[in-house]
This record gives sequence, C-alpha cells and structure tokens, in this order.
Amino acid sequence: AQSVTQLGSHVSVSEGALVLLRCNYSSSVPPYLFWYVQYPNQGLQLLLKYTSAATLVKGINGFEAEFKKSETSFHLTKPSAHMSDAAEYFCAVRNAGGTSYGKLTFGQGTILTVHP
Amino acid sequence: EAQVTQNPRYLITVTGKKLTVTCSQNMNHEYMSWYRQDPGLGLRQIYYSMNVEVTDKGDVPEGYKVSRKEKRNFPLILESPSPNQTSLYFCASSFDTNTEAFFGQGTRLTVV
Repeated sequence: AQSVTQLGSHVSVSEGALVLLRCNYSSSVPPYLFWYVQYPNQGLQLLLKYTSAATLVKGINGFEAEFKKSETSFHLTKPSAHMSDAAEYFCAVRNAGGTSYGKLTFGQGTILTVHP
Repeated sequence: EAQVTQNPRYLITVTGKKLTVTCSQNMNHEYMSWYRQDPGLGLRQIYYSMNVEVTDKGDVPEGYKVSRKEKRNFPLILESPSPNQTSLYFCASSFDTNTEAFFGQGTRLTVV
C-alpha cells in the first residue's frame, strides 16, 4: 500500500525566510505527486503536481517542488515566505497502477506559521 | 466557473438520524470521491466512483453509502450517524485517475 509521510506537523518561519516542507512517499510504481494548500475554512487548492515530466515543478504563489526518485521525496520550497502563506499543506500521491487505481493518499498535513 | 459544490457546509445532527451530504461538479469529470479529514490523520478516502453506477470502497467506508446515478452528482449517505463520524468531509472530482483532483469547500458534520 502506498503511504505519504510529512515530516513535521508544524513549521514556523519568519516572513522573508525560506520555506521547506518535507514529503516522503512509498510507491511500488512511478507515482503522480501533488501538493495542496488549505486555508482556514476552505477546501484544498492545488499548488503543484508532478506527473513524470520535469523533476523540478513550479507551482502557484512562488512554490516549487523537486521529485527525487532515489530519496522517494517531493519536498516543497519557497525562497521567501509571505504572511499570506500561512495555511496547512498536504502532500499526496496518486496510484498510477495496481489496486485502488487513481486513489489519492494524503500525508498528515503540515501547518505553516509565518511570523513578522 | 468550474467548481465542486457541497451542501450543507455545516450540519449538526443526532445519533441515528439519517442524513445526506450532496456533491455536484460541473466539469464533466468521471472520477469522484469522498474524503474525511481528521486532525493529525490528513484526508482519508471513504468511497470513490470511476463513472456512473461504478462505485467502490476507499480506506474508511464503514457507516457510509454513496450512489452515482448521474455523472455530476455523488451524494454521501450516513444511514445511522454516530459520534465517531463527526469530521470535516470533502468531495473531490477529477477528469480521470491521473489528473489533479478539485475539491469542494467541505462539510463540517457534528453528530451528538
């Protein structure tokens, strides 16, 4: 079964500092990987996705993520945090084959706090 | 505007009283699913549907039912809600099983 691990349930950074949210996955086949953001009282919004094209993926709001197959990682970064980035972030992997084809498996989520 | 619409957004009910949470998408997506979100557990899939009249269990299907009579609608049914079903529920849809999912705004359910 696939699994997704997000290291750190809470991350706190200063405004202007680097944001790094970690995600590791397990998958027996090449996966499709996603990062979603959830603002308070809202649904999930797609930040970026990896679908076996370029390993460095750029998303909205200045975020990017790099797929590293050897490390089974898909960490999310942003060079300079903004107050509006405060939210909960979810890494997800989608089955590309096998059983439960197409199912999204989510990590536990990381709450990002940005302080002035 | 492309969207997934859930209703209601908030619901408080009593144990055992049947309820339905509706979900509708206007993007002609084939794949739809329901998730529940609980603190520290992320989102877990309840049920999914590959197309009309095709549904299957996800990771946590106990106590839930779904139906897919039309492509755009995918209601979630709780025949006899219990307090452990208090949660935040999300409906999602995608064009197929390889593309990103679009999520509704969520339904916060409290069962007392």
